[in-house]
Amino acid sequence: AQTVTQSQPEMSVQEAETVTLSCTYDTSESDYYLFWYKQPPSRQMILVIRQEAYKQQNATENRFSVNFQKAAKSFSLKISDSQLGDAAMYFCAYRSANFGNEKLTFGTGTRLTIIP
Amino acid sequence: SAVISQKPSRDICQRGTSLTIQCQVDSQVTMMFWYRQQPGQSLTLIATANQGSEATYESGFVIDKFPISRPNLTFSTLTVSNMSPEDSSIYLCSVGGTVTNYGYTFGSGTRLTVV
Repeated sequence: AQTVTQSQPEMSVQEAETVTLSCTYDTSESDYYLFWYKQPPSRQMILVIRQEAYKQQNATENRFSVNFQKAAKSFSLKISDSQLGDAAMYFCAYRSANFGNEKLTFGTGTRLTIIP
Repeated sequence: SAVISQKPSRDICQRGTSLTIQCQVDSQVTMMFWYRQQPGQSLTLIATANQGSEATYESGFVIDKFPISRPNLTFSTLTVSNMSPEDSSIYLCSVGGTVTNYGYTFGSGTRLTVV
């Protein structure tokens, strides 16, 4: 079974600075998808960024980018120019690419605080 | 991407009673997922709901406690039965797969408090 580990329960960053959230995972599969989700106090789960394992290029979405290291099974999220609205719980998640096994496995989350 | 309407958004229930949570999707989806998020914790998958077949439950979750219906490709319900205070959690439904280009969309969640 796949597991996802987020070793930083809490992180804080000064507004406008850059912060990196860590995620590692364990799998025996070669093809899969990785996600970062944001959950603000409203509890709505918001997709931040997605990475396909077969792509070597790291995904980027505006101020959000990932460092995907497949051999190391590492998938960190970098948030540049942090804004107050970035404060939330961030969850790393894994999904198999196998048909019929489409569930998400989540890490334990990192609570990000933005310091004004 | 798909839009999910989940209700109720919150409820306070007496122990021993049951609550049914509904999720309506604005497009047809093959799989719907139900998650539980206990206070301050991550999301744990309860079951996968396929239209036209029995739901598939994860280890630690049973149909008698969390019966699921999936009458069509746009709707599903999760019932939390014979509730106890330990069932106090946020419950979320989700859809994924090709309809959302391999991303996943979540409902806004139901915050359940059992007293």
